[in-house]
Amino acid sequence: EIVLTQSPGTLSLSPGERATLSCRASQSVSNSYLAWYQQKPGQAPRLLIYGASSRATGIPDRFSGSGSGTDFTLTISRLEPEDFAVYYCQQYGSSPNTFGQGTKLEIK
Amino acid sequence: QVQLVESGGGVVQPGRSLRLSCGASGFTFSTYAMDWVRQAPGKGLEWVAVISYDGSNKYYADSVRGRFTISRDNSKNTLYLHMNSLRVEDTAVYYCARGSGGYFTSYGYWGQGTRVSVSS
Repeated sequence: EIVLTQSPGTLSLSPGERATLSCRASQSVSNSYLAWYQQKPGQAPRLLIYGASSRATGIPDRFSGSGSGTDFTLTISRLEPEDFAVYYCQQYGSSPNTFGQGTKLEIK
Repeated sequence: QVQLVESGGGVVQPGRSLRLSCGASGFTFSTYAMDWVRQAPGKGLEWVAVISYDGSNKYYADSVRGRFTISRDNSKNTLYLHMNSLRVEDTAVYYCARGSGGYFTSYGYWGQGTRVSVSS
C-alpha cells in the first residue's frame, strides 16, 4: 500500500500568514488522485482539494493544491482564524486508499 | 442536500459483535459506492471497507478482513457495517462516507460518526 508522510507534524503560524503543508507518497500516486481534508475537533473531515489541485464545492480560493507523482502541497494563502485545524492528505489512486498522519495547524 | 447519519455505536467487550448503520438521504443512494472510514482516539483516518452501488463487490482493509462485513439495503437507503470478533484496537469513531460514485474516490460527504469503544 502507498504510505503518505505529511510534514511538518505541527505548524505554528499567525492569522494572515501563508501556510504550506507537504504530503509525500512512498510510490507515485496514479492520476494525481490526491485529496486534502480539514478536520476540526469533534467534527467529520471536510474535503478541500481533490485531484491534487481542484477545489471542492464551496472551498475558498485561499486554499490551493499542487503537485504530482510523489510530492504534493496544500497552500493556504492567508490564514483566517477558522483555518486552524488538522489537515490530512489521502491518495485514492491505488487500493487500498490511504491517509497521511495529519498536520496540525495551530495559532502562534 | 446529502445527509449521512450513522448509528449503532457503543461500548462492547472484546470478542463481541456490533452492527453500525448509516442512513442516507438527499441523493440516489443505489447509484453510489459507499465506504466506512474510522478514526481511533487522537489518531488519523483509516479506510475500513467499500461496497459497490449494488452490493455485488466488497473490499476491506487488511486489519478488518474476515471480521467485518459491509452491506447495504438500497430499498432502505441504508449502509451497514457488521463487526465481529471486536478487538481493543477497533476502538474508534466510525464514519460512513460517499465519494463521486466509484471505488477510487475522495470523500465529499461524511456522516457525523458513531463511536465504538471495545473494552473489558
